Amino acid sequence: QQPVQSPQAVILREGEDAVINCSSSKALYSVHWYRQKHGEAPVFLMILLKGGEQKGHEKISASFNEKKQQSSLYLTASQLSYSGTYFCGTEPPDGGATNKLIFGTGTLLAVQP
Amino acid sequence: DVKVTQSSRYLVKRTGEKVFLECVQDMDHENMFWYRQDPGLGLRLIYFSYDVKMKEKGDIPEGYSVSREKKERFSLILESASTNQTSMYLCASSFRGRRNQPQHFGDGTRLSIL
Repeated sequence: QQPVQSPQAVILREGEDAVINCSSSKALYSVHWYRQKHGEAPVFLMILLKGGEQKGHEKISASFNEKKQQSSLYLTASQLSYSGTYFCGTEPPDGGATNKLIFGTGTLLAVQP
Repeated sequence: DVKVTQSSRYLVKRTGEKVFLECVQDMDHENMFWYRQDPGLGLRLIYFSYDVKMKEKGDIPEGYSVSREKKERFSLILESASTNQTSMYLCASSFRGRRNQPQHFGDGTRLSIL
C-alpha cells in the first residue's frame, strides 16, 4: 500500500545531481514531497498535481506521471544543506478534503564536501 | 509560521504503563495526524482527526487511542505500552476542506519502552 521510493539511500559529492523516485500501486491525485533533516521535523517541499509539474524549492524540481503512478524528485548541483531523508506522500483521487497522505518508505540522501 | 509543538522530545517508559503524547498546533487547522516513523518503513499513519472529538483509524491503530477535546490539541495514548512501540512519533496538522494542503509537522517524540 505504501509508495515505494528508490533508491533507499544515496551518497553524493557537492555539485552532483540526484533523482529520487516514488512509485505507487494505486491511482494518484497528487504527490507531496518532504525533507527531514536529522533530528528535525519533516519540512514540506512541494506538491505535484495531476497533470502538472511544479518547481518549488531551491534547485529542486519534480515531475508527476499520473499514468505510471510515479513521481520523481530532481536535485541539481547538490549542496550540503540538501542532506536528509526525503519522503513522498501520495493522495488518492477519492481523498476528498481529508488531506490524508500515504507516505513512502523514505530516501536517505547524504551530500559530502 | 505554523507551529506544531510536541510536548516531549525524548520519553522513556516501562512496559505496561499508560503513555500520553501531546501535540498542539497554533494555526487553527482542522486536521491533525499522528504518525509513527521507523527505519525502512517511512511514516505510517496511526490516527487522524478532522474535527474536535472526531477521529479515524489510520493504517496501524492497534495498541493506540487518541483524544481531541480542543481544536488545537491532539493526544496519542498508548493504553499499555509494549517494547514494540518503541519508535519516533510525529504529529502533523493541516487545513481541511481544501485539497493540496501541506501537512506541518512537529519535531517528534522519541519514545523508548523498557
